[in-house]
Amino acid sequence: GQNIDQPTEMTATEGAIVQINCTYQTSGFNGLFWYQQHAGEAPTFLSYNVLDGLEEKGRFSSFLSRSKGYSYLLLKELQMKDSASYLCAVRVEAGTALIFGKGTTLSVSS
Amino acid sequence: GAVVSQHPSRVICKSGTSVKIECRSLDFQATTMFWYRQFPKQSLMLMATSNEGSKATYEQGVEKDKFLINHASLTLSTLTVTSAHPEDSSFYICSARDGTAWEFGPGTRLLVL
Repeated sequence: GQNIDQPTEMTATEGAIVQINCTYQTSGFNGLFWYQQHAGEAPTFLSYNVLDGLEEKGRFSSFLSRSKGYSYLLLKELQMKDSASYLCAVRVEAGTALIFGKGTTLSVSS
Repeated sequence: GAVVSQHPSRVICKSGTSVKIECRSLDFQATTMFWYRQFPKQSLMLMATSNEGSKATYEQGVEKDKFLINHASLTLSTLTVTSAHPEDSSFYICSARDGTAWEFGPGTRLLVL
């Protein structure tokens, strides 16, 4: 089967940096995605990694190591509005649906 | 950017009735769309893959006769929950691919009384 693991909950303070880890064991690999989901809303796309290394996009960065089956999402200069669930998802084959981890609920306090 | 819409955003129905949810890609064509279901405080679970012009493929444990999928055009897929029961109450989300990114619709919250 496919397995994607991420911590259930994390807390951090405004202005800090937080790293959300994701490990995966899947039958194939064609890309790893990070989404942000606020309560009651649909997920919004944050980042996509298919090659090893770091992808930076503003305050958000995502890292991938295919050999280790590992990714992380790095959020800098945290703001209260960053409080949300962060979903790690893997695409096993090109053109197929994303398989999601259970999500990490991040709470940012002042 | 690419936009995926869903209608309705929220529906309340009586047990035993059928509910149709529409998913549209607004500025791109999608030969494939995906339907997910999300129960409270859980992640998105893939229900089925909707293919334009052919039958949908369902994930294990999802009843194809209960969750009818029609992908009649390159911009529209519909999910019909037939004879809905309270346990079908959930957040239903569709997704379609535009280039590299997979875009999600805003979701439909179904409550079956």
